[in-house]
Amino acid sequence: AQTVTQSQPEMSVQEAETVTLSCTYDTSESDYYLFWYKQPPSRQMILVIRQEAYKQQNATENRFSVNFQKAAKSFSLKISDSQLGDAAMYFCAYRDNDMRFGAGTRLTVKP
Amino acid sequence: EAQVTQNPRYLITVTGKKLTVTCSQNMNHEYMSWYRQDPGLGLRQIYYSMNVEVTDKGDVPEGYKVSRKEKRNFPLILESPSPNQTSLYFCARNRATNEKLFFGSGTQLSVL
Repeated sequence: AQTVTQSQPEMSVQEAETVTLSCTYDTSESDYYLFWYKQPPSRQMILVIRQEAYKQQNATENRFSVNFQKAAKSFSLKISDSQLGDAAMYFCAYRDNDMRFGAGTRLTVKP
Repeated sequence: EAQVTQNPRYLITVTGKKLTVTCSQNMNHEYMSWYRQDPGLGLRQIYYSMNVEVTDKGDVPEGYKVSRKEKRNFPLILESPSPNQTSLYFCARNRATNEKLFFGSGTQLSVL
């Protein structure tokens, strides 16, 4: 079964600085999708960014970008110009038929 | 607006008292699923459904039941809840594999 590993239970960043959240996954599939979800204290699950495995170009959404390394099975999230509203739990997820999530990284943003 | 409606948002119950968490969607999507979220474990899939009358176990199905009698609804049933089922539960739906999951607002369940 596919597994998703987030090795950083907690991360902290200074406001306006850049932070990178790590994610690795294990799969034998060649066609799949990767996601980063944000969960603020409201508990709502919010999609941050999505990456198709067949695309070599890294996805970007405003201040959020990914570093997708398919051979290494790595999918890190970079948040630039961090804002107080970025403080949340971040979940990495892998999907072929079903979606599997990592354990999450709690991001704190210091003013 | 596309929605996944999940109820209740909070539920406190006692061991052994049957309960149902409801989930409905207004987009006529085939795929629906249930997850539980626990600290340090992330979200783990309980059951999923690819279409009406088609359901299958996820990673942690023990102690749970689901039904999919119609496309719109996908209730989660705990026949005899136990304290280890205290968790945050999410229902989700989507149309295709490459789409993001659309999540409900979550149900915080406490079993005493």
